[in-house]
Amino acid sequence: GAGVSQSPSNKVTEKGKDVELRCDPISGHTALYWYRQSLGQGLEFLIYFQGNSAPDKSGLPSDRFSAERTGGSVSTLTIQRTQQEDSAVYLCASSPLEGAFFGQGTRLTVV
Amino acid sequence: QKEVEQNSGPLSVPEGAIASLNCTYSDRVSQSFFWYRQYSGKSPELIMSIYSNGDKEDGRFTAQLNKASQYVSLLIRDSQPSDSATYLCAVNGNDYKLSFGAGTTVTVRA
Repeated sequence: GAGVSQSPSNKVTEKGKDVELRCDPISGHTALYWYRQSLGQGLEFLIYFQGNSAPDKSGLPSDRFSAERTGGSVSTLTIQRTQQEDSAVYLCASSPLEGAFFGQGTRLTVV
Repeated sequence: QKEVEQNSGPLSVPEGAIASLNCTYSDRVSQSFFWYRQYSGKSPELIMSIYSNGDKEDGRFTAQLNKASQYVSLLIRDSQPSDSATYLCAVNGNDYKLSFGAGTTVTVRA
């Protein structure tokens, strides 16, 4: 069956450029998470969407980061004016309510 | 206080031994608990879920939950080199938001 799909798998961008990362969750899953993981570090929570509720944006590190989830399905994480410290793996996970299933991640490199 | 705390690693065990991983959580109303395994360079993979007090066994893995003491543990019996990974504890809060611990890295020595 189809799992969580993220695109692109890898993205190299120049400092100062904007990037968009996409997440296609498992069909029917009501919740969606974005996490960031730097090399050798743990998961850093970014944002949580649950159904029609207002998203929990408490983990977004700055106003350069934003995310939306259209139609309760696909989600896009946007990073504006990228900085070198934004380089990391960005992981999306979807959930039927409890637990979560991860996509393969997008490795972002800012040069 | 962090919402989910795991015993600090890394944890090194000989092949065939039992690896014991512990996790405590702060939200007393939490009802759902999970263990994830993350291999280096890969995404976390859900390996165990537990919802009721007591033990839950799946192959060589046993999850243990004690809600009164607010801890959940994972035992890996007959540890194999392929079990070498980082193990993440996760807990659903009362808003169903999933919170993760920092993870414990396990190395199984051949």
